[in-house]
Amino acid sequence: NAGVTQTPKFRILKIGQSMTLQCTQDMNHNYMYWYRQDPGMGLKLIYYSVGAGITDKGEVPNGYNVSRSTTEDFPLRLELAAPSQTSVYFCASSLDSFSNQPQHFGDGTRLSIL
Amino acid sequence: DAKTTQPNSMESNEEEPVHLPCNHSTISGTDYIHWYRQLPSQGPEYVIHGLTSNVNNRMASLAIAEDRKSSTLILHRATLRDAAVYYCILGDNNAGNMLTFGGGTRLMVKP
Repeated sequence: NAGVTQTPKFRILKIGQSMTLQCTQDMNHNYMYWYRQDPGMGLKLIYYSVGAGITDKGEVPNGYNVSRSTTEDFPLRLELAAPSQTSVYFCASSLDSFSNQPQHFGDGTRLSIL
Repeated sequence: DAKTTQPNSMESNEEEPVHLPCNHSTISGTDYIHWYRQLPSQGPEYVIHGLTSNVNNRMASLAIAEDRKSSTLILHRATLRDAAVYYCILGDNNAGNMLTFGGGTRLMVKP
């Protein structure tokens, strides 16, 4: 099983460039999430989605945008890359709301902005 | 938000049991207790979760205090592959899908 797949695995951007981090899951999960993890820290929630067409902000949404046109895909867009967005980004999915369902994580996208 | 407190790091010897503590004194009655672990350069991996009763699965056991203000993740026989950061997380029903990852406990396993 593929689970949650993230692409690319690594990327270097220049300040002001834009890019889209891709995330797809093949488990038919309703809920999807984007987190960022700064060095030595825990994960912080950026955005989440409870189903196709529905998204909502997490703890640190500024500088990011998301869309959810299908159940499988949940891309994260950086419009104007800034050094503060250098981080490791993780996508996750769960069948239902977090409180009683485990989340499945991808292997992450390591993003450096110079 | 209900928060958790974990030791920054712990050490264990290979093939010995490990008890990883977590305090969550402000837990609400409907919050689930989840444990995830993160191996180096990987995404977090679900380990176990519970509400009130102790739980066992193939990876670990979760012991929950009677007042639910603390819990302990038990690895019965630590292996080198268990070296990771372990996160204790409360699932907050009142906060939608917001998760709060703390710093976790870095477990080091000595051969």
